[in-house]
Amino acid sequence: AAGVIQSPRHLIKEKRETATLKCYPIPRHDTVYWYQQGPGQDPQFLISFYEKMQSDKGSIPDRFSAQQFSDYHSELNMSSLELGDSALYFCASSLVMSGGLEQYFGPGTRLTVT
Amino acid sequence: AQSVTQPDIHITVSEGASLELRCNYSYGATPYLFWYVQSPGQGLQLLLKYFSGDTLVQGIKGFEAEFKRSQSSFNLRKPSVHWSDAAEYFCAVGASNTGKLIFGQGTTLQVKP
Repeated sequence: AAGVIQSPRHLIKEKRETATLKCYPIPRHDTVYWYQQGPGQDPQFLISFYEKMQSDKGSIPDRFSAQQFSDYHSELNMSSLELGDSALYFCASSLVMSGGLEQYFGPGTRLTVT
Repeated sequence: AQSVTQPDIHITVSEGASLELRCNYSYGATPYLFWYVQSPGQGLQLLLKYFSGDTLVQGIKGFEAEFKRSQSSFNLRKPSVHWSDAAEYFCAVGASNTGKLIFGQGTTLQVKP
């Protein structure tokens, strides 16, 4: 079965640079979630989109923005990167419309800011 | 406010022994509860979920969990642990309106031979 695809899997950036993370949800899933997991931490919710509209927002810095496109893939844009942004970024998808609240996670993008 | 607490940061069990990982939640409405497992450097895999109905739910890899509303708990159990079960386990509660997950701090399971 198709899973959530995230690219790139690994990314190394310098402070103050910009990064773009991509997420391709499971086909026909209508909702995408982004989470940030710092070293030794639990995943923290950043933002979600339902049918290409932002549906919820968590502790996402103003330096970050995200959107969901017409093909349902999503991108997380991160600017003015800081050392503290180094983390594993997960994308998850679900089919909320049919009541499916369980989320299926991608493998994550490991971002290292130097 | 919604929150999830996993009281045990680290648990070590012998292979073949039984396992119980604790999870307590705080949520105003009927909770949607999940257990996820994460191997080092890997993504999160859904073990099982509770939405409603039977309070004892079965999941993959021989895991089960029991929802106890009176205790606000959703403990994960396995009768006989295998070495491959060594991983990080996260309990999570899902918001009923948007579905976002709030995770507990995680429990690291180590399995002794």
